Amino acid sequence: GDSVTQMEGPVTLSEEAFLTINCTYTATGYPSLFWYVQYPGEGLQLLLKATKADDKGSNKGFEATYRKETTSFHLEKGSVQVSDSAVYFCALRRGEKLTFGTGTRLTIIP
Amino acid sequence: EAGVAQSPRYKIIEKRQSVAFWCNPISGHATLYWYQQILGQGPKLLIQFQNNGVVDDSQLPKDRFSAERLKGVDSTLKIQPAKLEDSAVYLCASSPGTGANTEAFFGQGTRLTVV
Repeated sequence: GDSVTQMEGPVTLSEEAFLTINCTYTATGYPSLFWYVQYPGEGLQLLLKATKADDKGSNKGFEATYRKETTSFHLEKGSVQVSDSAVYFCALRRGEKLTFGTGTRLTIIP
Repeated sequence: EAGVAQSPRYKIIEKRQSVAFWCNPISGHATLYWYQQILGQGPKLLIQFQNNGVVDDSQLPKDRFSAERLKGVDSTLKIQPAKLEDSAVYLCASSPGTGANTEAFFGQGTRLTVV
């Protein structure tokens, strides 16, 4: 069945550092890929998405590129801020089904 | 636009008791999901509705969990009787449909603690 594998957390970085959170997936066909973010005390919200190979999703300085050859959708940001501290979830949609990874907790220290 | 509403936010019950959660999706959203998120894990789909019909309930423990979506709008998820391992956050989400580009919108969740 479909699955999503994320890098283990927690991840702790200093402000203005470069961020990469790895995500790989297993699915047949051509899924859409998403990154969701969960800020403390809030529900999950969509951060960015990509629906086909080589698409790049971007939002709030975050980017991720849909790489079909490596089945990956790594999340990157060039300079993180304290306000980026949250839990990040990689997810895929194939047909009607939406499948999530286990989440990566990110903490940014000033 | 109002978001997905869930209640209660928190619930503590003893094992073998019953509990119910309520979800009001975004107006006009045909698809409604219930996810279970155990601490340290990603959300796991319990049941998915399309309007008032069940699309996928393959991971719903049907001996103790039940869910309904009356008139294709609000939904309730019930656990009877609860076990210790049911302690988790129960997330409700809705989306306009299920197309490749479709975003799911999540409520804040109900945190259940079974003691």
